[in-house]
Formats: sequence, C-alpha cells, structure tokens
Amino acid sequence: KQEVTQIPAALSVPEGENLVLNCSFTDSAIYNLQWFRQDPGKGLTSLLLIQSSQREQTSGRLNASLDKSSGRSTLYIAASQPGDSATYLCAVCVTLTSGTYKYIFGTGTRLKVLA
Amino acid sequence: EPEVTQTPSHQVTQMGQEVILRCVPISNHLYFYWYRQILGQKVEFLVSFYNNEISEKSEIFDDQFSVERPDGSNFTLKIRSTKLEDSAMYFCASLSGTAYGYTFGSGTRLTVV
Repeated sequence: KQEVTQIPAALSVPEGENLVLNCSFTDSAIYNLQWFRQDPGKGLTSLLLIQSSQREQTSGRLNASLDKSSGRSTLYIAASQPGDSATYLCAVCVTLTSGTYKYIFGTGTRLKVLA
Repeated sequence: EPEVTQTPSHQVTQMGQEVILRCVPISNHLYFYWYRQILGQKVEFLVSFYNNEISEKSEIFDDQFSVERPDGSNFTLKIRSTKLEDSAMYFCASLSGTAYGYTFGSGTRLTVV
C-alpha cells in the first residue's frame, strides 16, 4: 500500500532563505508526482507536476526534483517570501485495480516565512 | 484557464440530514474524484469515477455516501444521514490523463451541527 510522508511537518524561516521540503513514498510505481500549495481554509493550488520519466521541473522560484527509485521528491523554494507561507502538499499518482488513476497525498509541510 | 467549480462554498446542516455537494469538472476531463480534509488532517481519497461508474472507493466511502454524474456536466456527492464527524472540507478534482495532473475545485466546507 502506497504511503506518502512529508518532512518536516512544520518549518519557520526568515525571509530570503532558500529552503527544501521533502516528500517520500513507499512504492516507486508511480505515474507522476504533483506538488500543491494550500492556504488556511482554502483549496489546493497546483504548483508543479513531475512525470515519472522526469528528474525535475521548475517554475519561477520553485524547483521540484524526483528520484523515483529511492522514493523521494524535494521542493526547493529560492529566496523565500512571507507570501510563501502556506501548507505544501505532495501527491503521487498511482494506478487503480480498475486501470484508472488516483493521487495519494502526503501529510503536508506547514511553512511560515517571517518578515 | 479551465476551472473545477464547487457549490456551495460552505454548508451547515443538522445531524441526520442529507446533503448534496455539487461539482462541475472541466468539460473534457475523463476522471472525477472526491476527497475530504478534516480540519488539521491530511487530504483523504473518497472515491474515483470514470466512464459513468465508480472505479474505486475508500473504506471511508460507505453506504452513507453516493456519487452521480447525472447530466454529463455535474458531479455530485450525496451524504445521507450526516454525522458530526462528517464535518470537513470536501474537494472535487478532475483529471484528463496522467500527463496533466489534477485540477481541484476550491472546496465545500461542510459543518454538521
């Protein structure tokens, strides 16, 4: 059974720091991995999608890497800003017995960037 | 950019009542999902729907729950006889294929009193 874990659970950093959020999964048989941002009480905003054949994806100050064989992904945030404060979730796409797909979510990292 | 639309954004209901949460997925997507998130907890899979039938459901999705795609555009989650522990944020998501990832709706916050 696929399990997804994120560490740290919470992180507080001063503005301007570069930081790394970690995601690990127990079964390497994934189609892709997606990183999301969630603001308190709000929905899920997709940040980056990495296909299983890719090693990394970049969008602005965000860079996500994937090492499928070791069951790990990292989200790198450069030059953090107070507006980056949110919970970051990773989710892995797996195949269902029906032949369709679903995403399994990690536990999340709650980030606070201090001004 | 295409969106997944959920209504209502917030619903308060009395314990034992039935609620219907509504979603309009992106029109050319093929796979539809409901997830829930109890306050402070992780996002949990409830059910997936493809080709007009349930493709998988979690152990949470018992006989109290049902889903429908009645008219080719709306995708609904019905919760019969709500309990206090059903209070959560419910998210709808749709997927065109593995190349593009999920698109989520903004959620319905269900409060059972």
